[in-house]
Amino acid sequence: NAGVTQTPKFRVLKTGQSMTLLCAQDMNHEYMYWYRQDPGMGLRLIHYSVGEGTTAKGEVPDGYNVSRLKKQNFLLGLESAAPSQTSVYFCATLRDNSPGGQYFGPGTRLTVT
Amino acid sequence: AQSVTQLGSHVSVSEGALVLLRCNYSSSVPPYLFWYVQYPNQGLQLLLKYTSAATLVKGINGFEAEFKKSETSFHLTKPSAHMSDAAEYFCAVSDRTGGFKTIFGAGTRLFVKA
Repeated sequence: NAGVTQTPKFRVLKTGQSMTLLCAQDMNHEYMYWYRQDPGMGLRLIHYSVGEGTTAKGEVPDGYNVSRLKKQNFLLGLESAAPSQTSVYFCATLRDNSPGGQYFGPGTRLTVT
Repeated sequence: AQSVTQLGSHVSVSEGALVLLRCNYSSSVPPYLFWYVQYPNQGLQLLLKYTSAATLVKGINGFEAEFKKSETSFHLTKPSAHMSDAAEYFCAVSDRTGGFKTIFGAGTRLFVKA
């Protein structure tokens, strides 16, 4: 089992460009999350999904969109990248609404110049 | 609203010494609490969790944490530090409502000196 995978691992964008980050999981988990990690700020929730076809806003959703068309995939989109979106992005999954702890992907390091 | 405060962004201990990483939380409902560890250039891994059963929780790699409701604390300890424990540690609190959203502390980087 691959667990949680993220594509790409690294990306450099110019201001105004768009891109999509892909999170894929093979654990059949219901819940999926996108976080960003910035130095000294821990992880902050961008968007999340409680099941296929559902999405909801987290703590810092502005400038991002998401889709969960298939249960195993959760996509994070940046329509017009800004330097403030330079960060490391992590995807995480949770089996269901139970306190099992989340499973994290390896992260995507994004730089916007 | 829930929140997490980790006291000390950096902690340094000698190999073999006690590790103590502090975490205080705020929650209007009984919380679920977690400690995660992050090694360089990796994602987070669950160390241990508190889910309202035993107040003393044991995790992987010899770590444990004690839930103290009166102090709203969930400090992480390990009796004897190993060099391999050097990493960043995150305390987190989750709500029990829809979405199981998790709030993370800012993290504490642990250095272990030989």
